[in-house]
Amino acid sequence: NAGVTQTPKFRVLKTGQSMTLLCAQDMNHEYMYWYRQDPGMGLRLIHYSVGEGTTAKGEVPDGYNVSRLKKQNFLLGLESAAPSQTSVYFCASSGDGNQPQHFGDGTRLSIL
Amino acid sequence: KNEVEQSPQNLTAQEGEFITINCSYSVGISALHWLQQHPGGGIVSLFMLSSGKKKHGRLIATINIQEKHSSLHITASHPRDSAVYICAVSYFGNEKLTFGTGTRLTIIP
Repeated sequence: NAGVTQTPKFRVLKTGQSMTLLCAQDMNHEYMYWYRQDPGMGLRLIHYSVGEGTTAKGEVPDGYNVSRLKKQNFLLGLESAAPSQTSVYFCASSGDGNQPQHFGDGTRLSIL
Repeated sequence: KNEVEQSPQNLTAQEGEFITINCSYSVGISALHWLQQHPGGGIVSLFMLSSGKKKHGRLIATINIQEKHSSLHITASHPRDSAVYICAVSYFGNEKLTFGTGTRLTIIP
């Protein structure tokens, strides 16, 4: 049982490049989340989804876009990467908003 | 100002010691979560509680709703307990979590 799988695990980009981070879950969860984790700060919510075809903004959505075309997948896109987006990105899923979240292993992204 | 405050930020203890990590929050919540993040990054949910106390192995989580405070205790601590422990809260009618900045625990053999 894979749980929540994030790809890639590491990536280095140049400023202005674009990329997509993929999150896949095999637990049939409705809710999915994308967070970023920066030194000295708590996890911050970028975007989230409460079901297939839905997305909503979190605390720090600027510079990111998301899509939830299939229930099991939640994609996070950076259209034009900036050094301020250097961070560790975590995806999580839960059955609903009142259940514990299951996290992926994270993606370490560096923007030069 | 973070709505979820954890203390201490860092804690170093000898193997076998009883560990307490604290979390306080500012407004009423629907649930409080404790999570563990090991070096290398993976995050695991330990507890979700809205009242009273929960126990899993050597870990105990308590919450006092009136005082808006929760504690995570580790009995007979072991070096493998070394990790960052994160407190998070959810609010009624809100699908999102608000996270504390974490407590880095180091257990020395």
